Amino acid sequence: GNSVTQMEGPVTLSEEAFLTINCTYTATGYPSLFWYVQYPGEGLQLLLKATKADDKGSNKGFEATYRKETTSFHLEKGSVQVSDSAVYFCALKTDSWGKLQFGSGTQVVVTP
Amino acid sequence: DGGITQSPKYLFRKEGQNVTLSCEQNLNHDAMYWYRQDPGQGLRLIYYSQIVNDFQKGDIAEGYSVSREKKESFPLTVTSAQKNPTAFYLCASSQESNQPQHFGDGTRLSIL
Repeated sequence: GNSVTQMEGPVTLSEEAFLTINCTYTATGYPSLFWYVQYPGEGLQLLLKATKADDKGSNKGFEATYRKETTSFHLEKGSVQVSDSAVYFCALKTDSWGKLQFGSGTQVVVTP
Repeated sequence: DGGITQSPKYLFRKEGQNVTLSCEQNLNHDAMYWYRQDPGQGLRLIYYSQIVNDFQKGDIAEGYSVSREKKESFPLTVTSAQKNPTAFYLCASSQESNQPQHFGDGTRLSIL
């Protein structure tokens, strides 16, 4: 079956540091890949997506590239801010009606 | 503004009681979803609905029920058969194809 594996958190960084959150997946066919972000007490917000191999999704300084050969979709940001403190979820979708398979989430804590 | 509204934000259940969580969307999306979020476990799919008057069980449907009488509404009932209902519940919606899911702000359910 489909599955998503994320690096465990919490990841603690200083402001302006480089952030990487690893995400690998197992899926049949050609999934679409997503990163969602959850701020405390809130729902999930779509951060970025990629729908085919070698696509790069980007938003708010975050980037992730769909690597079919390594079945990965790692999230990166070059210079984090305190406001980036949140839980980040990697997810995949293999059917047209949008059923998502989520990773377990990675908490990121950015200190001033 | 278009979006998904979940209510209430906080809900308390007594032993043996059924409670219903509301989810309304004005995005004109066909598909709607209910997820349960527990600490450190990511999101798990409870039920989903692709069209009005039709819905399917997700990965953890036992102890829950849903209805889809209107396109805009997808209420979730947590029944007394759900022995461990304390969690954060998230509703989402999407169109088909590669469109991402949009999430509400969640309902936190606790046991009295």
